[in-house]
Amino acid sequence: ETGVTQSPTHLIKTRGQQVTLRCSSQSGHNTVSWYQQALGQGPQFIFQYYREEENGRGNFPPRFSGLQFPNYSSELNVNALELDDSALYLCASSFDRWDNEQFFGPGTRLTVL
Amino acid sequence: AQRVTQPEKLLSVFKGAPVELKCNYSYSGSPELFWYVQYSRQRLQLLLRHISRESIKGFTADLNKGETSFHLKKPFAQEEDSAMYYCALTPTSGTYKYIFGTGTRLKVLA
Repeated sequence: ETGVTQSPTHLIKTRGQQVTLRCSSQSGHNTVSWYQQALGQGPQFIFQYYREEENGRGNFPPRFSGLQFPNYSSELNVNALELDDSALYLCASSFDRWDNEQFFGPGTRLTVL
Repeated sequence: AQRVTQPEKLLSVFKGAPVELKCNYSYSGSPELFWYVQYSRQRLQLLLRHISRESIKGFTADLNKGETSFHLKKPFAQEEDSAMYYCALTPTSGTYKYIFGTGTRLKVLA
C-alpha cells in the first residue's frame, strides 16, 4: 500500500499565471481534501472531494478549483495567481467522507513572484 | 466564528517533565476534535481523536465541552516528542470542513 504523493515538490510562478498541483491518494480512499499552509500557520481547508464531487469548501475564492478522478488522483487548480498564494499546498486522503482520519501528502511548495 | 486557538507558539520542557499543549475551540455545534503531529522532515499525521479515547505514545486529550478545550497531555516528556502539534476540529453534521489551529512547537530538552 502506497501513501499519498504530490507533484511537483516545488514550483515557481509569476503573478497572474495559472497552476495545477497534483495528488495521488492512498489506494481505496474515496475522499481527498486540499489545504493551504502559509509560513507559520496551520493548514487552511480549501475544499474536499468525495467520489469526484465537491463535498465542502473553505473560505477560498472560485479561482481555486479542483478535480478528482476515478483512479484516486486529484488536482488543485489556481487561476490568476496572487503573491499571497505563495504557500505549501497539502492534500490529504481518507477512506470515506465521514472518516475524519486523514493521511497527508508531503506537500507542494508554491512560490508566486 | 469557528476557530481553533493554540495560544503557545513554542513550548519548551525538560525530559521527564509533564507536558500540556493547550487547545481551545469556538464552534456552534458538536465538533469532532483531533491532534495532529508533524515530526522533523516528516509529513503531518494524526496523533489522536477525542472519540477514540485512546492514549497514543503516552499522550491523552480530554474534551471539555464546558470550557471548549481539548488540551493534549503527557505525564513524562521524551526527546522524541519534539515536534509541531496541531489541534483541529471538524463538524459532525452539515457542510464538511476541517479547521486547524496555528500549531505549537514542542521542544523537549535533554
